Amino acid sequence: DTEVTQTPKHLVMGMTNKKSLKCEQHMGHRAMYWYKQKAKKPPELMFVYSYEKLSINESVPSRFSPECPNSSLLNLHLHALQPEDSALYLCASSQVFNTEAFFGQGTRLTVV
Amino acid sequence: SQQGEEDPQALSIQEGENATMNCSYKTSINNLQWYRQNSGRGLVHLILIRSNEREKHSGRLRVTLDTSKKSSSLLITASRAADTASYFCATDTGGGSNYKLTFGKGTLLTVNP
Repeated sequence: DTEVTQTPKHLVMGMTNKKSLKCEQHMGHRAMYWYKQKAKKPPELMFVYSYEKLSINESVPSRFSPECPNSSLLNLHLHALQPEDSALYLCASSQVFNTEAFFGQGTRLTVV
Repeated sequence: SQQGEEDPQALSIQEGENATMNCSYKTSINNLQWYRQNSGRGLVHLILIRSNEREKHSGRLRVTLDTSKKSSSLLITASRAADTASYFCATDTGGGSNYKLTFGKGTLLTVNP
């Protein structure tokens, strides 16, 4: 199984809502990532988890809250988002650092 | 922050032609990777070249790395319409608790049948 599965595929939420994005991999990877991608732009790194511990937070606003409950799961909790947060959110994992990363298909988020 | 800058930003060629994309970066790297993205969905890893390597091949792909110039190129030979996609270089930097995989701006490749 070489898949990274992200749910949901699409999400529309109001600015007062709380929602969560989920990412799952069963490749035994110990590094997991969240990226944000706006249209016609490259993916921007948000968070890096290494062995279930948060190692990088790229100055992401606190309305985005990551969680890594175990080595297979990565969540991104969303609260009080703004319309400009609308984007494709991509999850990725890699076996260790400095190896290829496997990406999920992303969650397309629209904040209304 | 973005590490790599791809050149050109967009490239349109005919099927059968070769496509060359370039990437420049600013800081020391561990490795440089190339990814492909179709229609704004997930990225697919194409090839990884380590900082002590100069050239690498995989099928119709050829990647070069010049660490003295902080640049890399991706060559796709005998292109097909199915190669139409966005191509991104990504740099591995740091290690342990400060490891990052950072993407460049990308090249949109269109291969016309």
